[in-house]
Amino acid sequence: DQQVKQNSPSLSVQEGRISILNCDYTNSMFDYFLWYKKYPAEGPTFLISISSIKDKNEDGRFTVFLNKSAKHLSLHIVPSQPGDSAVYFCAANPDSNYQLIWGAGTKLIIKP
Amino acid sequence: DADVTQTPRNRITKTGKRIMLECSQTKGHDRMYWYRQDPGLGLRLIYYSFDVKDINKGEISDGYSVSRQAQAKFSLSLESAIPNQTALYFCATSDFISGQETQYFGPGTRLLVL
Repeated sequence: DQQVKQNSPSLSVQEGRISILNCDYTNSMFDYFLWYKKYPAEGPTFLISISSIKDKNEDGRFTVFLNKSAKHLSLHIVPSQPGDSAVYFCAANPDSNYQLIWGAGTKLIIKP
Repeated sequence: DADVTQTPRNRITKTGKRIMLECSQTKGHDRMYWYRQDPGLGLRLIYYSFDVKDINKGEISDGYSVSRQAQAKFSLSLESAIPNQTALYFCATSDFISGQETQYFGPGTRLLVL
């Protein structure tokens, strides 16, 4: 049973528009969430994170929103750029366990 | 220079062969991990180590073993490779600051078992 779900395998967005990637989780004990970005032939790289004590964290063009009651987080990229085309993974850090739990990833394609 | 390196980057082997994937890090982290990635399944944890004397099985450890030779080195072995171990393998290290963990990945090893 997947504890972290990214239900959209892929997403296509026009350059300059907003990209919204979604992630749902099932365990209310998760207290820290991360987004990673992965290019082909490279390892995932850390992008942005959020603690459960916050509902928003912003870093430049990237903003992560956390809705604890809905067990949902989203990553907003605005404006989207061609270099944002990659696979994005959502991950959660359980309070009692230091292993990250990973979603299956969403492939973002930015169209020129 | 990369903080987390993996060798080899690509490997083709035959069923039944023993193979070792190596990982080195210069980040000074105590925690190291081995993951595999399969299409549509995201990252699945094989083994992890919180220090040189601490080795733990992950979600999918069957068919794999690991060795933590030093703080900076963590190797993954397939004792007798089988075709369904064909995958992309990633090593990662992590820091754990203020109760929050961030992982840093190597470039990956693409393994094909024929």
